[in-house]
Amino acid sequence: VIWMTQSPSLVSASIGDRVTISCRVSQDISTYLAWYQQKPGKAPDLLIFATSTLQTGVPSRFSGSGYGTDFTLTINNLQSEDFATYYCQNYDSFPLIFGGGTNVEIK
Amino acid sequence: EVQVVESGGGLVQPGGSLRLSCEASGFVVSRYWMGWVRQAPGKGLEWVANIKQDGGDIYYMDSVKGRVTISRDNAQNSVYLQMNSLRADDTAVYYCARVPSGSGWSWFDLWGQGTHVTVSS
Repeated sequence: VIWMTQSPSLVSASIGDRVTISCRVSQDISTYLAWYQQKPGKAPDLLIFATSTLQTGVPSRFSGSGYGTDFTLTINNLQSEDFATYYCQNYDSFPLIFGGGTNVEIK
Repeated sequence: EVQVVESGGGLVQPGGSLRLSCEASGFVVSRYWMGWVRQAPGKGLEWVANIKQDGGDIYYMDSVKGRVTISRDNAQNSVYLQMNSLRADDTAVYYCARVPSGSGWSWFDLWGQGTHVTVSS
């Protein structure tokens, strides 16, 4: 079974900051990684799939990068609506695995 | 509007059963793999099961195998999750989600609002 480690688990940031979230996978998954944003009491929203492809409608301040075992979600010019929890997800094979989540909170 | 709407959650005693439903609208569900993802209170996301367009291919997470059955009725544009022998650690919000790619192992591009399942005596 693949292990996924997201870090940090908590980020305190201010409006306009750049935030980077890491997702490390226990084995090579090529580019089979997605990122989601979830706000309290709401369903997750897809941000990025295939490591770096933005879902339609997602602002360009979000970007994804990486390959194999190390992946990064970057949020440039953090906006108020970006304060949320972010999850990575591996879809290289079953079982589908989600990272533990990163909470981006207001500093 | 393209959406999926879950229903069927509730309070159930340990060992009991529940059947969750997911009704799709705005798209033809028979064209997509579909899945269920759950989230325990205060915890992260956990994939539960995926089902192929024709129901001929199904995958489950290990901890629900033998207790949970995913199924679909394309004529009703719906997907279901039958849960038996429920345990306290099955307590979660259960989300129905659409799989946009042709293979079953994929990301999820459309999520419902979730239905709450509480297993408690």
